[in-house]
Formats: sequence, C-alpha cells, structure tokens
Amino acid sequence: GAGVSQSPSNKVTEKGKDVELRCDPISGHTALYWYRQSLGQGLEFLIYFQGNSAPDKSGLPSDRFSAERTGGSVSTLTIQRTQQEDSAVYLCASSNPNQPQHFGDGTRLSIL
Amino acid sequence: DQQVKQNSPSLSVQEGRISILNCDYTNSMFDYFLWYKKYPAEGPTFLISISSIKDKNEDGRFTVFLNKSAKHLSLHIVPSQPGDSAVYFCAARGGGADGLTFGKGTHLIIQP
Repeated sequence: GAGVSQSPSNKVTEKGKDVELRCDPISGHTALYWYRQSLGQGLEFLIYFQGNSAPDKSGLPSDRFSAERTGGSVSTLTIQRTQQEDSAVYLCASSNPNQPQHFGDGTRLSIL
Repeated sequence: DQQVKQNSPSLSVQEGRISILNCDYTNSMFDYFLWYKKYPAEGPTFLISISSIKDKNEDGRFTVFLNKSAKHLSLHIVPSQPGDSAVYFCAARGGGADGLTFGKGTHLIIQP
C-alpha cells in the first residue's frame, strides 16, 4: 500500500544492545515524526523532520537516542545501550504541512 | 505535566446510542485539535479535526465540538457501531511544539 511503513514490526533485544528502527514515509510527504507509546500512556513526541531543515530533537529522552532522515525520505531511529525503560511501541508518522499526520503500525520494542 | 487529558480510560456504550468522548487541555496556544482511532497492533488512524477558530466540525457520524473558554473538546459518534470499538486519542497541535501532544486515550467499547 501507500501508507507509512515501519520495520521491524517487533524487536526483542538484550539490555545494553543498540537497536535501529526504520520508517518509510508516504511518498511526497515533507514532514516526518517519531513518537513512542509506553504501556498505558499516550503517544510521546520524540523528533520531527521537515524537508531539509535541521530536525527538532526536543522530545528525545536522552543522548542515547538519535535519528536521521536520508534524502528527505527514509528515517532511522537509533537507540544505543538500550535500557528496560526503552521498551515501548515506536511510531512513525508523516504528513504535508498543515495536514493530519498519518501513522505507521509501529515497532514494538522489548528490552530483556 | 499533562497538557492534554482524557479523564475516562474506558467507556461502554450500547450499539445505536451516542458515544461521547471528552478531552481537556491546558495550553491556550494549541491551534488545532485532532481525534485518532487506534485498533490493537495498528497505528493510530486520523478521524476528524477542528481548528481553534471553529466550535464544531461534522463528518458523517462523527462530530467534534470545541469549547475554547473551557479548554474542552468532545467527540460525538452517533449512532455507535460495533466497529467503533477502539482506543480514541485526542491530540493537539501547536503550543510551541512541532509534534502533536496526545492524551492517554479512551477505550470505547460498543456493546450489542
């Protein structure tokens, strides 16, 4: 389909390992967002990319989290030295300016 | 400090009746409000939105009402159908953030 695609859908890893999560936004969308949803919580904003501008990283919870967006399309969210509190569903969304965000189905990350 | 609050974690409504989901916010700088619907293991799906300059927006069975003076919005679904059973998230745009600010969600259960 033409929706936002995220991979992997599930990831289980050991505490202390690094993980990479991938997001393919809807083609042509200039804005890309990462959120995470911890158990029983709402979605928490992490980072925002708009075109070629510098990303808004204000929501990243620690310096173990980073993200990049190559060529204005695909984005990867990297978590280094994972901790158990990083366990959550990580959601990616894309949109055009002033339009509703469209979400992927997320990556469920479990840290053992 | 939660800027968007959905005080009812769950709501049970009989099929065919009206479902009313409520949302309160604290940041007067929010300029746009959205409702998303989420099924298990799927990403949130955009449902309906409203600009802060309006007080009502209707789309089929769904109507969103905004009371700016009370910093309150509500989503009305009428008539409620079994497929409406899902978690509904209220979200707000603006307020100094690039990402959306979400409530914790309300689990709507439509009973036959």
